[in-house]
Amino acid sequence: SQTIHQWPATLVQPVGSPLSLECTVEGTSNPNLYWYRQAAGRGLQLLFYSVGIGQISSEVPQNLSASRPQDRQFILSSKKLLLSDSGFYLCAWSVGGVISRTDTQYFGPGTRLTVL
Amino acid sequence: GNSVTQMEGPVTLSEEAFLTINCTYTATGYPSLFWYVQYPGEGLQLLLKATKADDKGSNKGFEATYRKETTSFHLEKGSVQVSDSAVYFCALTTYSGNTPLVFGKGTRLSVIA
Repeated sequence: SQTIHQWPATLVQPVGSPLSLECTVEGTSNPNLYWYRQAAGRGLQLLFYSVGIGQISSEVPQNLSASRPQDRQFILSSKKLLLSDSGFYLCAWSVGGVISRTDTQYFGPGTRLTVL
Repeated sequence: GNSVTQMEGPVTLSEEAFLTINCTYTATGYPSLFWYVQYPGEGLQLLLKATKADDKGSNKGFEATYRKETTSFHLEKGSVQVSDSAVYFCALTTYSGNTPLVFGKGTRLSVIA
């Protein structure tokens, strides 16, 4: 069966520090991968998605970036964190190939980031 | 563009009460509709989905019917339990090269014994 892992589970970082959040998927090949942010009172916002190694689509311009160095690994990064980057970051995957309207996304446990 | 509107929360119910959480959508193209649930401190889990008009998704006593004529996908449960306390998200996708999944803002449900 497929499983998705995220780490760390919680993170407290000072403003201006770098960030690296990791997401890995097991039990499937060539998944489509997604990063979301859930900020208080703002619902769920899609940040990036990837349909293959090295292929990243960005939905929202910001100081975050994403990379997919391996088939089942998705990394969210920042060179300098802002206070507004605080939130709950969720990684998700769906069956690989062309993203279709019937695809189901499966979410990881999330990383709670607090920027002070 | 695509968008999802959910009823504002929080919703507080007594155990065994009837639950309805309204969800309406606008979409370009033919959407698939989803309900996800987020329990405290956890990620999102798929609760149910429907991919075409008049389909009914169901799981764990929850149901939602895809109503194309009213562009709605309301979530219902006949008798809620304390363990149903969570945040519920309605979502849709009509992927055509743009944003693959659009979520509503979520509705927090609290069930009290």
